[in-house]
Amino acid sequence: AQSVAQPEDQVNVAEGNPLTVKCTYSVSGNPYLFWYVQYPNRGLQFLLKYITGDNLVKGSYGFEAEFNKSQTSFHLKKPSALVSDSALYFCAVRDVGNSGYALNFGKGTSLLVTP
Amino acid sequence: DVKVTQSSRYLVKRTGEKVFLECVQDMDHENMFWYRQDPGLGLRLIYFSYDVKMKEKGDIPEGYSVSREKKERFSLILESASTNQTSMYLCASSPPSGQGGEKLFFGSGTQLSVL
Repeated sequence: AQSVAQPEDQVNVAEGNPLTVKCTYSVSGNPYLFWYVQYPNRGLQFLLKYITGDNLVKGSYGFEAEFNKSQTSFHLKKPSALVSDSALYFCAVRDVGNSGYALNFGKGTSLLVTP
Repeated sequence: DVKVTQSSRYLVKRTGEKVFLECVQDMDHENMFWYRQDPGLGLRLIYFSYDVKMKEKGDIPEGYSVSREKKERFSLILESASTNQTSMYLCASSPPSGQGGEKLFFGSGTQLSVL
């Protein structure tokens, strides 16, 4: 089955600094990769996706992600973090196996941006 | 904007009760999903449906069933609630693949406590 791994439970960064939230994937075939964000007491919101094409994908709220096939990674990045970016971030991959077109999610990374 | 509405934000039930979690989407999406979210485990797929009266098991269907009698509504049923089903339950929907179906739209979640 397609899967993703988020190696960090928590990432801390100071406001104004660049941030990176890591994700690696394991798939058979071409991956469909996603990032979602969850603010406290809210559902998940879509940030961006990679299906094909340019390896640098731009998404909502100034976030971007870089698809790296040789490293099987899809790290989320932002050049300058805001306190309001503090949230739970999930990487996901589309499962084209038994679960049809559902997404398989990583365990999540908590991002804390301090003033 | 797509709206996915979950009927209850918080729910407290007793062990052995039959529990119904309701989800309604207003965008005529074919696909609907139920996930549960637990700290440190991320999101895990319980069931999904790609059409009315159709259902498929996800990764953790044991102890759950679903119903989809109308396109816009997808219900999750806990036949006999147990304490290990205490969790945040998230409903999602998406259009067919090829029509942006890769992107899931989530409801705000139902925090279920089974005592």
